[in-house]
Amino acid sequence: QQQVKQSPQSLIVQKGGISIINCAYENTAFDYFPWYQQFPGKGPALLIAIRPDVSEKKEGRFTISFNKSAKQFSLHIMDSQPGDSATYFCAAFSGSRLTFGEGTQLTVNP
Amino acid sequence: ETGVTQSPTHLIKTRGQQVTLRCSSQSGHNTVSWYQQALGQGPQFIFQYYREEENGRGNFPPRFSGLQFPNYSSELNVNALELDDSALYLCASSRPIVPNTEAFFGQGTRLTVV
Repeated sequence: QQQVKQSPQSLIVQKGGISIINCAYENTAFDYFPWYQQFPGKGPALLIAIRPDVSEKKEGRFTISFNKSAKQFSLHIMDSQPGDSATYFCAAFSGSRLTFGEGTQLTVNP
Repeated sequence: ETGVTQSPTHLIKTRGQQVTLRCSSQSGHNTVSWYQQALGQGPQFIFQYYREEENGRGNFPPRFSGLQFPNYSSELNVNALELDDSALYLCASSRPIVPNTEAFFGQGTRLTVV
């Protein structure tokens, strides 16, 4: 059962551009929304996270926007760099578990 | 780098065999969760252990079982391996669920079933 839908599946941006990844969820019991970055052969690394009582959170070049009424949230990567090329997963937490989106493969061209 | 370590990093098993994967949690973390990540997909929750007890389970059959030890390290056991069990198995550790829910993942164990 897919409870977190992520788009796009892949994304190509130029160096210095803005990367935007979107997620939508169904379960209103979710109470914590992290984003993970994963490089090939590595485990997911926590990037940034937000709680539903906050509409936006910024950490460096990374910003989460959260729309509770629409049950949507997004990751914005400003000034994208080739080193940001990785797979990004949104996730939602409820009870004891994280439910992940299907991932977005981001490629940042030099 | 997180303080979560998993062993082995790679493993090849034959269908029908049994496998044990191991995880050492980050210092100060007493909760361990296991996830299965098939190629090209997001991780899927298998189960969580808190204070040596199972604390939530995903949609996985009973041949997937686990243990947590007093030092908070954990094992994932899979019996009667099937070809579809080939995946990256991830361990994540965290502090008690409330109020901190940040989970930190290890590098994973790549299991191939032939």
